[in-house]
Amino acid sequence: AQKVTQAQTEISVVEKEDVTLDCVYETRDTTYYLFWYKQPPSGELVFLIRRNSFDEQNEISGRYSWNFQKSTSSFNFTITASQVVDSAVYFCALSEAGTNAGKSTFGDGTTLTVKP
Amino acid sequence: DAGITQSPRHKVTETGTPVTLRCHQTENHRYMYWYRQDPGHGLRLIHYSYGVKDTDKGEVSDGYSVSRSKTEDFLLTLESATSSQTSVYFCAISEVKRDTQYFGPGTRLTVL
Repeated sequence: AQKVTQAQTEISVVEKEDVTLDCVYETRDTTYYLFWYKQPPSGELVFLIRRNSFDEQNEISGRYSWNFQKSTSSFNFTITASQVVDSAVYFCALSEAGTNAGKSTFGDGTTLTVKP
Repeated sequence: DAGITQSPRHKVTETGTPVTLRCHQTENHRYMYWYRQDPGHGLRLIHYSYGVKDTDKGEVSDGYSVSRSKTEDFLLTLESATSSQTSVYFCAISEVKRDTQYFGPGTRLTVL
């Protein structure tokens, strides 16, 4: 069975600090997909990134970067120079490519608070 | 933004009453999902659909049923609502399986 663990329930930083959100996953499949979503205080869920298990290249998008390491089953998310608008709940998710394909398992989320 | 709407956006109902939530998409995506979000539990899959009249259970399907008679609509029904079903319900769609899921705005349901 697949499982996603976001051990950090809440993180609080001061604006302009860098912050890393951890995501550790478990799966028996060799082909799978990892996602990060953002849920701001307004409540909607916003897609941030999708990664497949064969692509271990790290990705950078502006102040956001993602570090995917199969060896440690981790897919961590770093925000550089955090801003108040980054305050949100962030979810990591896993989707296997087997018979349950299409069914994603979400972590419990990390609540990030960025203080001015 | 993906064209996904949910109705109603807010509902208060009483224990034992039937409730139907609607998810409507304009993207013609094949896959549709219903999740519930509760504090400390992230999002949990209730049911999903991989085509018209093709549905399957998720991890928390007890007490819920779904129907999909058209590509664009996916209905979630609580036959007899209970207080434990008080939650925020999200619909999601994806074009192909394993693909990125895009979420609707959510429905906040309160069962008294």
